[in-house]
Amino acid sequence: EAGVAQSPRYKIIEKRQSVAFWCNPISGHATLYWYQQILGQGPKLLIQFQNNGVVDDSQLPKDRFSAERLKGVDSTLKIQPAKLEDSAVYLCASSQGAGAAGYEQYFGPGTRLTVT
Amino acid sequence: AQSVAQPEDQVNVAEGNPLTVKCTYSVSGNPYLFWYVQYPNRGLQFLLKYITGDNLVKGSYGFEAEFNKSQTSFHLKKPSALVSDSALYFCAVRDALRGNNRLAFGKGNQVVVIP
Repeated sequence: EAGVAQSPRYKIIEKRQSVAFWCNPISGHATLYWYQQILGQGPKLLIQFQNNGVVDDSQLPKDRFSAERLKGVDSTLKIQPAKLEDSAVYLCASSQGAGAAGYEQYFGPGTRLTVT
Repeated sequence: AQSVAQPEDQVNVAEGNPLTVKCTYSVSGNPYLFWYVQYPNRGLQFLLKYITGDNLVKGSYGFEAEFNKSQTSFHLKKPSALVSDSALYFCAVRDALRGNNRLAFGKGNQVVVIP
């Protein structure tokens, strides 16, 4: 089966500019996650969708970050305006479910964002 | 909130020797535990998980992990390391009692297998 697809793979922008990332999860996976991975750290959850509804966005900096998952499939994550500290790899992941069943998550290759 | 500690920044091991990557966790309820591996410029790949049952879990590429509830540990092991096992390894935990609770990752361990 095809894996999680993300684009672009790399992006360089200046601070205060905006940027958008796209993710297409594994077919049939109801749950989609966006993570931020700063160099030398583990991934940190930004937002979790169950179908097209948000179930956890408590760690999303909502003053500058936004995300949507229209029709419960593809998702976009946007940063506007970007700051230097947003430089990181943005990972998208999907899983069959998010409940107590302990489903593993499948990750895309990530988008490496550099803010100058 | 749940958390994971991976105490070593880097693990060096000679090819053919046993490999161990340490992980301890903290959750308020019962844990669901996961190991992921990350190769350069790639996303995380799932290796194995502990949900319930046998404390020894076997996963991909010859890896296994042992759940120890009394020591709150979930160390990753491989009997004979390969050079191709050189990568970044992440341990992660979520609380089984809270259905949508987020997965908390450790900071990762760089494994270097020396030929």
